[in-house]
Amino acid sequence: DIQMTQSPSTLSASVGDRVTITCRASQSISSWLAWYQQKPGKAPKLLIYKASSLESGVPSRFSGSGSGTEFTLTISSLQPDDFATYYCQQYNSYRRGTFGQGTKVEIK
Amino acid sequence: EVQLVQSGAEVKKPGESLKISCKGSGYSFTSYWIGWVRQMPGKGLEWMGIIYPGDSDTRYSPSFQGQVTISADKSISTAYLQWSSLKASDTAMYYCARQLAVAGRGDFDYWGQGTLVTVSS
Repeated sequence: DIQMTQSPSTLSASVGDRVTITCRASQSISSWLAWYQQKPGKAPKLLIYKASSLESGVPSRFSGSGSGTEFTLTISSLQPDDFATYYCQQYNSYRRGTFGQGTKVEIK
Repeated sequence: EVQLVQSGAEVKKPGESLKISCKGSGYSFTSYWIGWVRQMPGKGLEWMGIIYPGDSDTRYSPSFQGQVTISADKSISTAYLQWSSLKASDTAMYYCARQLAVAGRGDFDYWGQGTLVTVSS
């Protein structure tokens, strides 16, 4: 199984801050990585797919980068609606996936 | 409008069986994969498995292989997740989600609202 490790687990930030979350894979996954946002009591929402492609309707302040084993999700200017938990997810050629453990973005 | 509508919350006893459902609408159900994701109380997301309703091709996470069964009835655009003998540790929210059936896409673009399963004696 491919393991995904996110860091940090918790992040305290203020509105307007630039925020970066990292996700590392235990082996190369090319660009087969997605990022999701989840708010309490709600289903996750897809933000980024194929490491850097922005899902339709997602604000452009969200961006993704990376390939191989190291990936980042960046929020260029944190907005009040962005306080949530973020997950990365890898998917391999057999369509089996794994999620990272999550990063909670809290208000500083 | 694409929708995935899941069955309602369940309260079961250990050892009982259960089958929960996920009905798709607003798109061609047989042209997308449907996946299941577990979220235990206060914990993160866990990828369980996926099914392609067009031909019932099913793939499980090693962690869930043999523990659950994923199936689909394409005639009614519905996917299922079932247990033959529930344990207290199966208590969780379970989400279904849609996955594009194209190379390089293993993300989930639409999600159901979740089904809360509580297993308690």
